[in-house]
Amino acid sequence: SQTIHQWPATLVQPVGSPLSLECTVEGTSNPNLYWYRQAAGRGLQLLFYSVGIGQISSEVPQNLSASRPQDRQFILSSKKLLLSDSGFYLCAWSVPPPNTEAFFGQGTRLTVV
Amino acid sequence: AQSVTQPDIHITVSEGASLELRCNYSYGATPYLFWYVQSPGQGLQLLLKYFSGDTLVQGIKGFEAEFKRSQSSFNLRKPSVHWSDAAEYFCAVGISGGYNKLIFGAGTRLAVHP
Repeated sequence: SQTIHQWPATLVQPVGSPLSLECTVEGTSNPNLYWYRQAAGRGLQLLFYSVGIGQISSEVPQNLSASRPQDRQFILSSKKLLLSDSGFYLCAWSVPPPNTEAFFGQGTRLTVV
Repeated sequence: AQSVTQPDIHITVSEGASLELRCNYSYGATPYLFWYVQSPGQGLQLLLKYFSGDTLVQGIKGFEAEFKRSQSSFNLRKPSVHWSDAAEYFCAVGISGGYNKLIFGAGTRLAVHP
């Protein structure tokens, strides 16, 4: 069966520090991969998606970047964190269209102080 | 533009009572519709989905949802709520065009009184 791992679960970082969140998927090949952010009291906003190795698309302009160095690995990064980067970050995967069901990791709570 | 509206931010019900969470969507084509549940500090778990066919879909944990095209709605229901159902519920519409994109509503937080 397929599983998705996301780490760390919790992270407190100072403003201006770098960020690296990692997500890996097991049990499937060539998944679509996603990074979502959930701000307090709000829904989920799609930040990045990837349909293959090295292929990254950004949904919204921001201070973050994403990379996909391997088929089932998705990394969210920042060179210098802002206070506004605080939130709950969720990695997800899905099979390619037309099935649009997504499966989510357990999330990372990022607090920038 | 595509959007999902969940009109109720917070809902409180008594254990054993029935539940209906509302969801309205805006999407020009035939939608793929989902309900996810999120426990505090956790990821999202899929409750149920609608792709096509029967407009009443059954999900896990005793939940069901009904797709009404004329009302652009996909409301979630449960006949008898358990205390463990307290969580946040998200409705989402799936858009497929080379990749799968989910557009989420803002969520409804459900509290259950004993």
